[in-house]
Amino acid sequence: SQQGEEDPQALSIQEGENATMNCSYKTSINNLQWYRQNSGRGLVHLILIRSNEREKHSGRLRVTLDTSKKSSSLLITASRAADTASYFCATDAINDYKLSFGAGTTVTVRA
Amino acid sequence: GAVVSQHPSRVICKSGTSVKIECRSLDFQATTMFWYRQFPKQSLMLMATSNEGSKATYEQGVEKDKFLINHASLTLSTLTVTSAHPEDSSFYICSARGGTGLYNSPLHFGNGTRLTVT
Repeated sequence: SQQGEEDPQALSIQEGENATMNCSYKTSINNLQWYRQNSGRGLVHLILIRSNEREKHSGRLRVTLDTSKKSSSLLITASRAADTASYFCATDAINDYKLSFGAGTTVTVRA
Repeated sequence: GAVVSQHPSRVICKSGTSVKIECRSLDFQATTMFWYRQFPKQSLMLMATSNEGSKATYEQGVEKDKFLINHASLTLSTLTVTSAHPEDSSFYICSARGGTGLYNSPLHFGNGTRLTVT
């Protein structure tokens, strides 16, 4: 079932700007993951943050996790046209090996 | 890194026929694979969990007799859409866990199969 809800649904920014998207979820989790999907393709794993972590970086990506608020954010810094894609958060709930995906945020980076 | 290969990428079939989609883990063994369906501009909907050597576990509302899943080896799972109808037209994606366990490891996805039933 779908647990994560993402905000905003769509985001349009200029190249070089930062993009921030948020994810909220409902149940206790082992970890939260972010994925990117280019149009018509499969998903690519970006970053995994465990429930005992608060912040994680990977290149131009920064992810935060607030388990008290059951929310996470993904920040893409210095965006590029190639970052244009849909971004999904996915939660790995405790005692459930299936990932639950959010509705996704469609990001458009204008050159 | 872990690579999942999905084939075919696109298929068009006539109503009433069956279509088989293959999902292979190329450089790792996948005891468990997941099959998703995605409608345009929507999220992924988990259809079933494919377990090597045993029956698949289907999500509520997914017809197991229509969407046949076979996981005959540690590197191959297949999804067969039987007696396809236009409403089965969709984007189907498989994935597998790349780590040693089911938890705290990312999913690796195939590139998806666009099924069009005419």
